Amino acid sequence: DSGVTQTPKHLITATGQRVTLRCSPRSGDLSVYWYQQSLDQGLQFLIQYYNGEERAKGNILERFSAQQFPDLHSELNLSSLELGDSALYFCASSGSTGGLQGYTFGSGTRLTVV
Amino acid sequence: GNSVTQMEGPVTLSEEAFLTINCTYTATGYPSLFWYVQYPGEGLQLLLKATKADDKGSNKGFEATYRKETTSFHLEKGSVQVSDSAVYFCALTVSGAGSYQLTFGKGTKLSVIP
Repeated sequence: DSGVTQTPKHLITATGQRVTLRCSPRSGDLSVYWYQQSLDQGLQFLIQYYNGEERAKGNILERFSAQQFPDLHSELNLSSLELGDSALYFCASSGSTGGLQGYTFGSGTRLTVV
Repeated sequence: GNSVTQMEGPVTLSEEAFLTINCTYTATGYPSLFWYVQYPGEGLQLLLKATKADDKGSNKGFEATYRKETTSFHLEKGSVQVSDSAVYFCALTVSGAGSYQLTFGKGTKLSVIP
């Protein structure tokens, strides 16, 4: 167990629907990062939150949004889902020294859009 | 921008063979370099890291040396085991406005056969 918890592990939904992925960071970590892993694009950075505030944004679609709550857990919301959104979504967390020492990853949520 | 290029896989080796996975990078600024490993069905785990030139990261028999002059961070292991079968990702981060997002290579799948 890495200490980063992601739920659910698997999600199957139809095109046009909306889903929420949840992440609880490792105890004491203030930063949460979201990544999308697909066969064709590899690992793509989506967004980072630090202590409740958005810190950096990567290749995140406008249909996607995220937030980090006061208890530091984070949610990634994906709406108007398309077949191409099927992927593994990873959450990672890091401590106060930032990502210079590396992240701790969760085991991911596999999203299948049918 | 930042980018990581690692050798295409898959790589298939016999047990006890020598492993090299090449990784080169381009970065704006001074990067920290990482190798992550992903076992089937799991999230990414930090394997080793190096934060400045000529540093050698090592873990579980794996090694990589930060070579600034050749912008490389090749992963090596003297004698691989079946349990090393996984996908290996080279990655970098450069601090920018407090963000430490990781930029990943596309991954190299390693299969070790008995």
